[in-house]
Amino acid sequence: GENVEQHPSTLSVQEGDSAVIKCTYSDSASNYFPWYKQELGKRPQLIIDIRSNVGEKKDQRIAVTLNKTAKHFSLHITETQPEDSAVYFCAASIIEGGKLIFGQGTELSVKP
Amino acid sequence: GAVVSQHPSWVICKSGTSVKIECRSLDFQATTMFWYRQFPKQSLMLMATSNEGSKATYEQGVEKDKFLINHASLTLSTLTVTSAHPEDSSFYICSARWANYEQYFGPGTRLTVT
Repeated sequence: GENVEQHPSTLSVQEGDSAVIKCTYSDSASNYFPWYKQELGKRPQLIIDIRSNVGEKKDQRIAVTLNKTAKHFSLHITETQPEDSAVYFCAASIIEGGKLIFGQGTELSVKP
Repeated sequence: GAVVSQHPSWVICKSGTSVKIECRSLDFQATTMFWYRQFPKQSLMLMATSNEGSKATYEQGVEKDKFLINHASLTLSTLTVTSAHPEDSSFYICSARWANYEQYFGPGTRLTVT
């Protein structure tokens, strides 16, 4: 079955710096790769997603890149703000709306 | 976005008892619901997939006789943890989708078994 590896497990940056989180997946059949932000005790919230026919997608300060050949995808957050502090999860699925296999999570801390 | 609710938001039960968690899609019909479990400082682990009117499909390692899932209508799925033990204490999160569109997560249920 699918396996998703996520690094780093913790990431601390200064406000205004960029943050990069990387994930690799094992199942070449995966075609949908969402990223979620989860605050303590809350539900995961979709922040951006990418499909396998696209190499990069950007939404304001957030961007995701996908290298399907290498089976890895990354989340880039620019101009980080303290409110970006949370746990971020990558996930992979064969189809949008399909069962999600999550990475281990990255705890991002943005220091003012 | 679509709204998914869970009830209760937290529950404490004694070891050996059963507890039922409800997951409702409030403004759309959910053809599929997923149940995840999340231990403290860990990732979300998929437990099972349920399609309305069908038996749930459980992930490897999840005891189907212990975690009973019912998806009797297009807006409601329930997870019953039977004979709960302290190791079942966790954050249980459901998600719901219509057809193959984005799945929306519920707010989660914190279960503590004493």
